[in-house]
This record gives sequence, structure tokens and C-alpha cells, in this order.
Amino acid sequence: EADIYQTPRYLVIGTGKKITLECSQTMGHDKMYWYQQDPGMELHLIHYSYGVNSTEKGDLSSESTVSRIRTEHFPLTLESARPSHTSQYLCASNVGDNEQFFGPGTRLTVL
Amino acid sequence: GQQLNQSPQSMFIQEGEDVSMNCTSSSIFNTWLWYKQDPGEGPVLLIALYKAGELTSNGRLTAQFGITRKDSFLNISASIPSDVGIYFCAGQLKDTDKLIFGTGTRLQVFP
Repeated sequence: EADIYQTPRYLVIGTGKKITLECSQTMGHDKMYWYQQDPGMELHLIHYSYGVNSTEKGDLSSESTVSRIRTEHFPLTLESARPSHTSQYLCASNVGDNEQFFGPGTRLTVL
Repeated sequence: GQQLNQSPQSMFIQEGEDVSMNCTSSSIFNTWLWYKQDPGEGPVLLIALYKAGELTSNGRLTAQFGITRKDSFLNISASIPSDVGIYFCAGQLKDTDKLIFGTGTRLQVFP
């Protein structure tokens, strides 16, 4: 099982602010993912990484960006937040090829 | 894009009843995963299935990987109040390790 940490758990900010959502895992997993989820709805992949210096866009277009400078750390950044970015953001990492384990999520509200 | 149809969308049952939900797709999957998500938390992996026809149990939960590799079901026996939550299926397509998530089944259990 994976220990995945996300901070902050909740964030309320004003339009135009720059924010970074943190995600870290201590298991040395190479593959990490970011999903966006509206309340009670399905998860949509927005970014993924297969290792250090590897980042790819997911199936759902997102204005956010990610970086992977260290194996254990996969932060997501919004340069200028807008109300349409209000959602829950979930980070996950892979054990092996198949099983993804999720962090607790960050619930973002942009006013 | 790829789609997973999950049903039912919601269920309201009495404690002690059995529950069944399923996911279907027009695509063939290599892996099926079942997750449970509590409000404000990340999804938690319940069961992973890797072979067509595979039947796997985890306590009161039983899941099967369909023979056609296009569907999967999850059964919960003798439901209890803590089973309340949203259940998601997720499928992994051939030649990719990205997951596609179903639309979720919201389960309510009444005492």
C-alpha cells in the first residue's frame, strides 16, 4: 500500500491568484497521477508522470502545470486561478503497473 | 473518448441486504479495479482483477472480471452502515497504464 500526502486539504482563494497543490509519496513509486473530480462525479486524468523529468498531459485538458524534479514529489500549479477551476484534485501513485493508490485530495474553491 | 457505463447510479437499501453494481464498456480492458470513496476523501482500492473470468473476494465484497473483458461487477453482501459511499469501477486498457473511471454508484444504507 502507498502513503500519499496532499496539502492543503482545503483551499479557498480569490480569482487571479497563483496556487500550488502539493503531492508527495514516500514509497519511491515512479508513476504518479493528478485527477480532477467534481463532487460525486467520475475522475478525469489531467496530468501524469512516469519518473523524474517526465510529465504528460492527461485526457482532460487543464490549464494547470506539473513538475517532477524529485521522485517523491509531484506538485500541480495554477498560474492564475479562476472560478472554473473549483473542484477536487486527487493525486495518485502506482504500485506496479496497475493499482493506483490515492491521496486524500485537495478541495479547491476559487471565488 | 473511452467510456465506462456504471449502474445503477444510486442505491438506497436496508442494512443487511445484498448489493450488486456493474460496469460495462465497448472496449476491452486488461485490468478492472473497484474503489470506494467517502465524502471529502480520496478513493480507496477495494479489489483488483487481472484475468478474464477471475472472481475475487475481499471480506463481504466479491468482484468478477467479465469473460468478454468488457465488463465487471461488484457485490456487497449483508450491507452495514459503513458501506455508505460512492463506488467507482476503473478499467485499464491494453497497452496503457492509465485508468478510465466509471461514473460511480452512490450507496445509501438505512438501519
